Amino acid sequence: GAVVSQHPSRVICKSGTSVKIECRSLDFQATTMFWYRQFPKQSLMLMATSNEGSKATYEQGVEKDKFLINHASLTLSTLTVTSAHPEDSSFYICSARGAAKSLSYEQYFGPGTRLTVT
Amino acid sequence: GQNIDQPTEMTATEGAIVQINCTYQTSGFNGLFWYQQHAGEAPTFLSYNVLDGLEEKGRFSSFLSRSKGYSYLLLKELQMKDSASYLCAPLLRTGANNLFFGTGTRLTVIP
Repeated sequence: GAVVSQHPSRVICKSGTSVKIECRSLDFQATTMFWYRQFPKQSLMLMATSNEGSKATYEQGVEKDKFLINHASLTLSTLTVTSAHPEDSSFYICSARGAAKSLSYEQYFGPGTRLTVT
Repeated sequence: GQNIDQPTEMTATEGAIVQINCTYQTSGFNGLFWYQQHAGEAPTFLSYNVLDGLEEKGRFSSFLSRSKGYSYLLLKELQMKDSASYLCAPLLRTGANNLFFGTGTRLTVIP
């Protein structure tokens, strides 16, 4: 099946610094990638949708200048949390969708990145 | 707005059958996904229903009624490893393929 990886799996950073999270589709080309955030015991909240080669579409309430998304290739999207603060500590999960799959709307999730801002 | 209603927690016995219900109200609907999520891990795909009726896949089955805004996930022959959260996720818009997740149902399987 389709595999999506994320790196790093865990990261601890100091308040005010920036952190980059990578999401890669390993065995398929992902025309669309999604970034979610999940706080403990809460649902996955969609942050943004990115299509390869174009600007990301952010959900209401998500600051695009704080959460920079780049989807420069069909296998890689990055999320950069700029000037991170403790309230940004969360589980960040990416998912990817290919252009031509038998189940065209299925999203394949990465393993997630646990960000802790101290 | 969007709304999903699932029980917050359920407990069932190993070897038993459990049904997790989901009702939803969404603006736009193009099918419904069920995902399984173990604590601290990303969700994994279980099923996708776009037409009314029952889809069976091994120990897991999923049912959809579009007119009633209702779905359920049926787990048979429960195993301890089935202890996880189960997320009902309607697909909102085909263009953006937005999935809308509720808080999920935390299932605990006991011996």
